[in-house]
Amino acid sequence: EIVLTQSPGTLSLSPGQRATLSCRASQSVSSSYLAWYQQKRGQAPRLLIYGASSRASGIPDRFSGTGSGTDFTLTISRLEPEDFAVYYCQQFGSLPVTFGGGTKVDIK
Amino acid sequence: EGQLVESGGGLVQPGGSLRLSCVASRLSFSSYWMSWVRQAPGRGLEWVAHIKQDGSAKDYVDSVKGRFTISRDNAKNSLYLQMNSLRAEDTAVYYCARVNGLPFNYYMDVWGKGTTVTVSS
Repeated sequence: EIVLTQSPGTLSLSPGQRATLSCRASQSVSSSYLAWYQQKRGQAPRLLIYGASSRASGIPDRFSGTGSGTDFTLTISRLEPEDFAVYYCQQFGSLPVTFGGGTKVDIK
Repeated sequence: EGQLVESGGGLVQPGGSLRLSCVASRLSFSSYWMSWVRQAPGRGLEWVAHIKQDGSAKDYVDSVKGRFTISRDNAKNSLYLQMNSLRAEDTAVYYCARVNGLPFNYYMDVWGKGTTVTVSS
């Protein structure tokens, strides 16, 4: 099983600041099979990024994804109030599909 | 805009069974793999199972193998999860999600709002 480790666990930032979220895999994952999701309290997850760097439909360009192999990053260039949420990475490099433990971005 | 709507959750005793359903409306269903993902209270997301378009391929997380069965009825735009021998650790919100991008990518682009399963005596 590929374990995804997200860091930091919590990121405390102010609106307008840049957020950098890390997702590290226990073994190499094809970037084609790495996705990022946003989840707000009491809501279902929402797809942000697929293929490590492609933004999903309707996702603002302040969200960007990079990385390859075992290290992937989600960057939010300038935090908007609606961006404070929990973010998960997910892989399908091999079964089972796994998610990282999440990074909570909260308001400082 | 299309949506997925789950139902069938509830309170069940340990060892009991439940059948979850997910209906797709105004959404292409039969052309996509579909999945179930769960989230225990205060915890992260856990993939449970997925199923190929025609039902000919299914995969499960180890913790539910032999207890849960995923199935679908494309004529009814419906996805199901039969859960048997339920345990306290199966308590979670269960989401159905559409899998997109295969074979070159794998991501879940449409999610339902979830249905809550509580396993307790």
